[in-house]
Amino acid sequence: GQNIDQPTEMTATEGAIVQINCTYQTSGFNGLFWYQQHAGEAPTFLSYNVLDGLEEKGRFSSFLSRSKGYSYLLLKELQMKDSASYLCAVVSSGGSYIPTFGRGTSLIVHP
Amino acid sequence: DAGITQSPRHKVTETGTPVTLRCHQTENHRYMYWYRQDPGHGLRLIHYSYGVKDTDKGEVSDGYSVSRSKTEDFLLTLESATSSQTSVYFCATGTGDTNQPQHFGDGTRLSIL
Repeated sequence: GQNIDQPTEMTATEGAIVQINCTYQTSGFNGLFWYQQHAGEAPTFLSYNVLDGLEEKGRFSSFLSRSKGYSYLLLKELQMKDSASYLCAVVSSGGSYIPTFGRGTSLIVHP
Repeated sequence: DAGITQSPRHKVTETGTPVTLRCHQTENHRYMYWYRQDPGHGLRLIHYSYGVKDTDKGEVSDGYSVSRSKTEDFLLTLESATSSQTSVYFCATGTGDTNQPQHFGDGTRLSIL
């Protein structure tokens, strides 16, 4: 099976930088996704990492260390609209190759 | 957007009644999934389909059944609804490639009284 851990809730100030961590234990790692989900809405894709290192997409970046079973999502220049849940999902090569989701991190951005 | 439509969007029903949720996609994706999302649990896979008439169980499949008679449609049925099945249900589609993200519908909020 898989074990995926994320903080339940984080708060940050508009304009600041926040890092949301995700740690995982899995047999046969095959990729990690980050999704954003606003309250009452569907999750939407943010980023994908399969190799070690940093992937940058505008204000959002995602980092992966396979040896440490660790990823983070970095959000820069926070805006109020970034208040949402952020979901980490890990793909394991053992079994169906379907991503398993962590419980999500609720980010609250305040003025 | 993958063009995923879930119906109904909201439903209130009583314990013991059958309930069917529908997911319709227009992107011709091979894979379709049903998840439930509950506070403190995140998204949990109920069932998934990898082709017409090809389905398999997820981690929380007890009390649920699915059917896929066409590429476009994936139905989730609660044969006899229980209060523990009160949840938000999301349908998702995907190509099945491990480096491609899933696309999600807007969800169905189901309350069982």
